[in-house]
Amino acid sequence: EPEVTQTPSHQVTQMGQEVILRCVPISNHLYFYWYRQILGQKVEFLVSFYNNEISEKSEIFDDQFSVERPDGSNFTLKIRSTKLEDSAMYFCASSEALYEKLFFGSGTQLSVL
Amino acid sequence: AQSVTQLGSHVSVSEGALVLLRCNYSSSVPPYLFWYVQYPNQGLQLLLKYTTGATLVKGINGFEAEFKKSETSFHLTKPSAHMSDAAEYFCAVLFRPKAAGNKLTFGGGTRVLVKP
Repeated sequence: EPEVTQTPSHQVTQMGQEVILRCVPISNHLYFYWYRQILGQKVEFLVSFYNNEISEKSEIFDDQFSVERPDGSNFTLKIRSTKLEDSAMYFCASSEALYEKLFFGSGTQLSVL
Repeated sequence: AQSVTQLGSHVSVSEGALVLLRCNYSSSVPPYLFWYVQYPNQGLQLLLKYTTGATLVKGINGFEAEFKKSETSFHLTKPSAHMSDAAEYFCAVLFRPKAAGNKLTFGGGTRVLVKP
């Protein structure tokens, strides 16, 4: 079965630093997403991306966050100035169409010190 | 407010016993409903989904779930647990489907332990 790939699996950074989380969605998929799960809390939606633009974002996704599909294969999440509360597991997902199955990556564990 | 609730953060079942994981949602409009499973060190994998049509849906690995509109529930069952079913299970809901976006709202997850 095709897979969504996320790198790195673990990322440690200092507060205030910029981080970029990388994802390679499934090649024929058109919809891309980022979710996150803070330890002990629910999986939360961050942003969805379609046709090279954000289609929906949550209140969590403020000006510190941005997404990009720079080269037609990668999908990145950038956090400009990390805060302690950004520590979480970040999941990338993609789907072929709306309401179709979301394929999730195995996540990047971000630790902000 | 729209919400998703999974009763029980941990469930322990014996191998061969029934697995029942509960999910309730709060919404005035019937949503689309999903169950995902997460094995250790892996991503979330779709078990099954309900959008429209038959309210009893069958998924992978012998799981099934029934949408009950009157109870706003979408409980997941498997008649006979296997050791390989040990994982964390997430109920997820797509409220008010609309033209763009696929925002899933997740329940808190239920970790299943299977005893030999």
